[in-house]
Amino acid sequence: AQKVTQAQTEISVVEKEDVTLDCVYETRDTTYYLFWYKQPPSGELVFLIRRNSFDEQNEISGRYSWNFQKSTSSFNFTITASQVVDSAVYFCALIITSGTYKYIFGTGTRLKVLA
Amino acid sequence: DSGVTQTPKHLITATGQRVTLRCSPRSGDLSVYWYQQSLDQGLQFLIQYYNGEERAKGNILERFSAQQFPDLHSELNLSSLELGDSALYFCASSPGQQNEQFFGPGTRLTVL
Repeated sequence: AQKVTQAQTEISVVEKEDVTLDCVYETRDTTYYLFWYKQPPSGELVFLIRRNSFDEQNEISGRYSWNFQKSTSSFNFTITASQVVDSAVYFCALIITSGTYKYIFGTGTRLKVLA
Repeated sequence: DSGVTQTPKHLITATGQRVTLRCSPRSGDLSVYWYQQSLDQGLQFLIQYYNGEERAKGNILERFSAQQFPDLHSELNLSSLELGDSALYFCASSPGQQNEQFFGPGTRLTVL
């Protein structure tokens, strides 16, 4: 069975702290994608990153970085020097692309960055 | 502004009714995705179309159907509505099939 677990329901940090959001996935498929999305308080959804199962390179985009480790089935997201504007719900998703496509979302992590 | 438009923004209807949600993708994007977000079920993928053809199907009820037209806009039809169908319905588009997705502002459906 495929599954995405975001064990951290809510995290609160003080501005300028670093924070890591965990995402653990389960699948036996060898071909898949992992996504992160952001949903700020305004409600819109914003795509952050896509990573395919054959690319384990970590990625950095400004203050955001992602650590993909197939050995632990994790795709963690780190925000460095957090800012109040980072306050949002963050979703991790697993997309299986072998055979019939399947999309599995985590339950989300609510990040509150306090000034 | 993502370039993806959804209409209407809000929809209030009664149980048993049928509604149609519309999505216009970004210019040039061939894929359209539909998602449902509710307090009970969280964020769920419903269906994806690529260049007019259904490409992936998620937790979409039989009472729901969708299509993508030749001009690439998409419609999500929800029928025999139940209270539990109340949710935010997002549409997204992407150039290909698993590229970066651009989301519309959503349609908030309230079933009374």
